[in-house]
Amino acid sequence: GAVVSQHPSRVICKSGTSVKIECRSLDFQATTMFWYRQFPKQSLMLMATSNEGSKATYEQGVEKDKFLINHASLTLSTLTVTSAHPEDSSFYICSARPGALATEAFFGQGTRLTVV
Amino acid sequence: DAKTTQPNSMESNEEEPVHLPCNHSTISGTDYIHWYRQLPSQGPEYVIHGLTSNVNNRMASLAIAEDRKSSTLILHRATLRDAAVYYCILRDVGYTDKLIFGTGTRLQVFP
Repeated sequence: GAVVSQHPSRVICKSGTSVKIECRSLDFQATTMFWYRQFPKQSLMLMATSNEGSKATYEQGVEKDKFLINHASLTLSTLTVTSAHPEDSSFYICSARPGALATEAFFGQGTRLTVV
Repeated sequence: DAKTTQPNSMESNEEEPVHLPCNHSTISGTDYIHWYRQLPSQGPEYVIHGLTSNVNNRMASLAIAEDRKSSTLILHRATLRDAAVYYCILRDVGYTDKLIFGTGTRLQVFP
C-alpha cells in the first residue's frame, strides 16, 4: 500500500526553540495532508489541513502562528512548532490520501516531540 | 461531523473472536463507516469500511445494523498483535476529506 513517512521520529528541543517535522508521501501525490497531535492516553486531535500551494486550514483553537504549516510540493508538508514550550510536547502525526476520493487514509509513523 | 460512541476498553484472549461495537445514531445517508486502529507508538492504520452491507477483508469483518445506527468490527481470531486502540469514524466522502477521531476502544489481548 501507499506509504507516508515522517521525519524525525523523535526530537528533543529546548524551550523557546523551533522544531520542524516533515511529512512525505513516498509513492503518491497528495494535494492535501492532515496534521494531528496526540497526548498520552488520548485520541488524535486534528490540528490543520495542509493544502499544496495555498494556506493551511486550521481547526478551531489551533494557533496558526505557533504551528506553521508549509505544503510546497505534492509530496511534502512540513509542520514547524515555533517557540516551543513543554506543553507542546506531544505525538504529532500526519496523514494523506492518494486522491480525494481514495478510501484509505495513510498515516505517518508519528513524531514524538519533547520540549525541555 | 456525526459522533460515534465506543466502549473505552475491551479484553480478549488470544485465538478468540472479538466484537468491537460502535454506535452512530446520528449517521447520515451519505456517511461511510470507517475503522482504523492504532498500535502503540505508531500512526493509525486502515482496517475496513462500509456503507450499508456487511464487509469482509483479510484483517476483519464489519457488520452494519440494518438502520445503520450501529456497527460491529469483528476480529475472527485475536492475536497479540491485534492489541491496539480501534477507532470507528464516520466519513462523508462528498463533504469533507478529513477524519475526526473519537475516543476509540482499547483492546487488550491476553495469551
